[in-house]
Amino acid sequence: DGGITQSPKYLFRKEGQNVTLSCEQNLNHDAMYWYRQDPGQGLRLIYYSQIVNDFQKGDIAEGYSVSREKKESFPLTVTSAQKNPTAFYLCASSPGGAGETQYFGPGTRLLVL
Amino acid sequence: GIQVEQSPPDLILQEGANSTLRCNFSDSVNNLQWFHQNPWGQLINLFYIPSGTKQNGRLSATTVATERYSLLYISSSQTTDSGVYFCAVWAAGNKLTFGGGTRVLVKP
Repeated sequence: DGGITQSPKYLFRKEGQNVTLSCEQNLNHDAMYWYRQDPGQGLRLIYYSQIVNDFQKGDIAEGYSVSREKKESFPLTVTSAQKNPTAFYLCASSPGGAGETQYFGPGTRLLVL
Repeated sequence: GIQVEQSPPDLILQEGANSTLRCNFSDSVNNLQWFHQNPWGQLINLFYIPSGTKQNGRLSATTVATERYSLLYISSSQTTDSGVYFCAVWAAGNKLTFGGGTRVLVKP
């Protein structure tokens, strides 16, 4: 059953705490992406990776970090430097890079306590 | 960077009605996608349409790249069509830029 999985579905963060969101894909896609969605808004790009061991900042990378050690995995860490982390986080992948169709996971809702 | 504007921002339909959603973009694009975000947040690919017209069941889309707009048509709307429709474009640079979305509510 191919697709993109994200975990957890809901995540609660205390002030000053780092948390990591998981994104896994078994589609054999080269490129992976992280987006943030605030209520009533569109999606904004946080980070993307077009190949293993390489990634680039998107429009709103401050306060976030990523790694791409395996082709199928692209975890996102929300650090304590991110002052307003409450949002819906979506992971996506595409077969190649620019211009190719992106497919999205089900998302993780992060709430700061 | 490129600007993507969607209209209308909100749309209320009676079941069975037809509607047209519009996406305008401020610069040349390499590709364009339409998505439907269901009430649980999942984004579903509808169309990958850099130019021309495509149809899939009750949905169809047309992109006129030279005039910098795309249209999404919903015919014979159903309650399951409710949600948010996003247009997203690939322009210069390696990223997909999203519009603000059109929120659609189909009433039974």
